[in-house]
Amino acid sequence: AAGVIQSPRHLIKEKRETATLKCYPIPRHDTVYWYQQGPGQDPQFLISFYEKMQSDKGSIPDRFSAQQFSDYHSELNMSSLELGDSALYFCASSETSGGADEQFFGPGTRLTVL
Amino acid sequence: KQEVTQIPAALSVPEGENLVLNCSFTDSAIYNLQWFRQDPGKGLTSLLLIQSSQREQTSGRLNASLDKSSGRSTLYIAASQPGDSATYLCAVKGLDSGGYQKVTFGTGTKLQVIP
Repeated sequence: AAGVIQSPRHLIKEKRETATLKCYPIPRHDTVYWYQQGPGQDPQFLISFYEKMQSDKGSIPDRFSAQQFSDYHSELNMSSLELGDSALYFCASSETSGGADEQFFGPGTRLTVL
Repeated sequence: KQEVTQIPAALSVPEGENLVLNCSFTDSAIYNLQWFRQDPGKGLTSLLLIQSSQREQTSGRLNASLDKSSGRSTLYIAASQPGDSATYLCAVKGLDSGGYQKVTFGTGTKLQVIP
């Protein structure tokens, strides 16, 4: 079965640089979520999209933005990177309308900010 | 603000034992609760999803229960195996103070099953 795809899997950036993370949800899933997981911490919800519209917002810094495109893939844009942004970034998708709303996670993007 | 706590933080059991992991949440107005496992440095694998109207879900050796009124869920693992060693996370979906849907993860239970 198709799973959530994230790219890149690893990313190394310098402070103050910009990074773009991509997520391709499971086909027919209508909701995409983004999470940040720091070392030894539980995942923190950042933002979600339902049918290409931003639906909910968590603890996403103002330096970050995200969008979902017509083909349902989503991108998380991170600017003015800080050392503290080093973390695993997960994307998840679910079928909210007509489905169980069970979230399926991608393998994550490991971002290292030097 | 929703707070999700998991007890114990770590657990070590011999192979074959049955075990229970606990998840507590402070706001009972939830849409659903989902249990995941996470291997070190890896993504999260969904184990079970319980809707707010349900009391339990079962999948193989796993059984999850939900008592929304008391803000508790348990994950029961029968006949544990070394391959069950991982961190187990519960996640609650509800509304935050601004009316936005929000998913809050618990702190996790790190399970080690000793052969």
